[in-house]
Amino acid sequence: RKEVEQDPGPFNVPEGATVAFNCTYSNSASQSFFWYRQDCRKEPKLLMSVYSSGNEDGRFTAQLNRASQYISLLIRDSKLSDSATYLCVVRGRNQFYFGTGTSLTVIP
Amino acid sequence: DAGVTQSPTHLIKTRGQQVTLRCSPKSGHDTVSWYQQALGQGPQFIFQYYEEEERQRGNFPDRFSGHQFPNYSSELNVNALLLGDSALYLCASSPDGGLDSPLHFGNGTRLTVT
Repeated sequence: RKEVEQDPGPFNVPEGATVAFNCTYSNSASQSFFWYRQDCRKEPKLLMSVYSSGNEDGRFTAQLNRASQYISLLIRDSKLSDSATYLCVVRGRNQFYFGTGTSLTVIP
Repeated sequence: DAGVTQSPTHLIKTRGQQVTLRCSPKSGHDTVSWYQQALGQGPQFIFQYYEEEERQRGNFPDRFSGHQFPNYSSELNVNALLLGDSALYLCASSPDGGLDSPLHFGNGTRLTVT
C-alpha cells in the first residue's frame, strides 16, 4: 500500500468554481502534513502546511482528520493561475512521502 | 537569502555512464534530501544527508550514492546509468528537528539517459 494516495484527476473546472482535493495516508504516526503546488516541469513549492484545527490562506483551506488519516485542500473562486499539479505530502520521522499529485486545469 | 540551488539544470548521458549532481541548501538549513521524479509521478525519496552522513535511504539501488560536505552542500552520484534513470532529480533542504518544517526544493536537474 502506498504511504500517500491521491486522486490523480485531472480536474477541469471553470474560473470561479470551487474545487476540492483529497488525500489519504497510511501511517498513523505521521507527524506533519503539507500541500505543495508543482507547475509543469518546475520544482514543487510549498502551498501550505496542514493543521488539525484546519487552516486557511486566502482562497485556500486545508483540513486534516487524524482519525480517518485524511487530508483535504479546498480552492475557492478558482483562477486560471491555479492550474497546476497539487501534491499531498506527509512527513514521517525522517522522510517526506509524496502523493502522485492531482492535476488541476482552470478553464476560462 | 539564497534558496536551494542545483547544478546542472539539464544533462544528457548515455547508458552505462556515471553522473554527479550538485546541491547547495537554503541558508540556515543543514539537512539535504534527494528525490527522483519521473514524468507524471510524485517525487520518490532517494536519501537524506545530515551531519555528513546518510541518515535515511529510500528504495533505490546502490548505484545511487551521495555525499554531504561540511558546508552542508551535497552531491548525488549515479553509476552505470540506465534508461529508466531519466527523470527530474530534486534536491530539498530543511532545518533538522522542527517537526513542522517543510522542504524547500531547488529547481531540479533534468537527466536524460540515451
